[in-house]
Amino acid sequence: NAGVMQNPRHLVRRRGQEARLRCSPMKGHSHVYWYRQLPEEGLKFMVYLQKENIIDESGMPKERFSAEFPKEGPSILRIQQVVRGDSAAYFCASSSAQGTYEQYFGPGTRLTVT
Amino acid sequence: AQSVTQPDIHITVSEGASLELRCNYSYGATPYLFWYVQSPGQGLQLLLKYFSGDTLVQGIKGFEAEFKRSQSSFNLRKPSVHWSDAAEYFCAVGGKAAGNKLTFGGGTRVLVKP
Repeated sequence: NAGVMQNPRHLVRRRGQEARLRCSPMKGHSHVYWYRQLPEEGLKFMVYLQKENIIDESGMPKERFSAEFPKEGPSILRIQQVVRGDSAAYFCASSSAQGTYEQYFGPGTRLTVT
Repeated sequence: AQSVTQPDIHITVSEGASLELRCNYSYGATPYLFWYVQSPGQGLQLLLKYFSGDTLVQGIKGFEAEFKRSQSSFNLRKPSVHWSDAAEYFCAVGGKAAGNKLTFGGGTRVLVKP
């Protein structure tokens, strides 16, 4: 049973480019969460999605960041016009249903903005 | 708003010695508490969780944690550490009042001396 999958594992973008991070939840999981880990810091919640719905985006920066979880395919975290401060590790987690707070994490995507 | 404090940023322990990592939380309702471990360049692995019931919970890799409501603490322990336990450890809190999102502490980095 495959775990949470994220790709790419490493992504380098120049300032002003777009970054697309993908996350496939564990089999049978329909809830996806994105967290960001800045260097030397803990993880900070960004957004919580179910299929075709954003449930909670209270941790998302107001501009340049968006997330989706379509009916088919992986969840996508999109960062437009990246800046150096976006350099971080972005982790996706999944859970089986609302009310089950046990989240399983993917290996992360390490974004470097040059 | 919920918060998690891990007072120790770094801990160095000799192989075979006992280990205790501190975690204090602030949460306005019944908390669900978690400990995750992160090896360098890797994602987070769930060590153990507390939802209700027995306040001493057992996890994987020989770890245990004790929930103390009066002290708002959820400290992690291991009687005898192995070199492979060198990693960063994160405490997290969630629950119904927070929706499904987790709030993480800043982490404790554990170094194991031979």
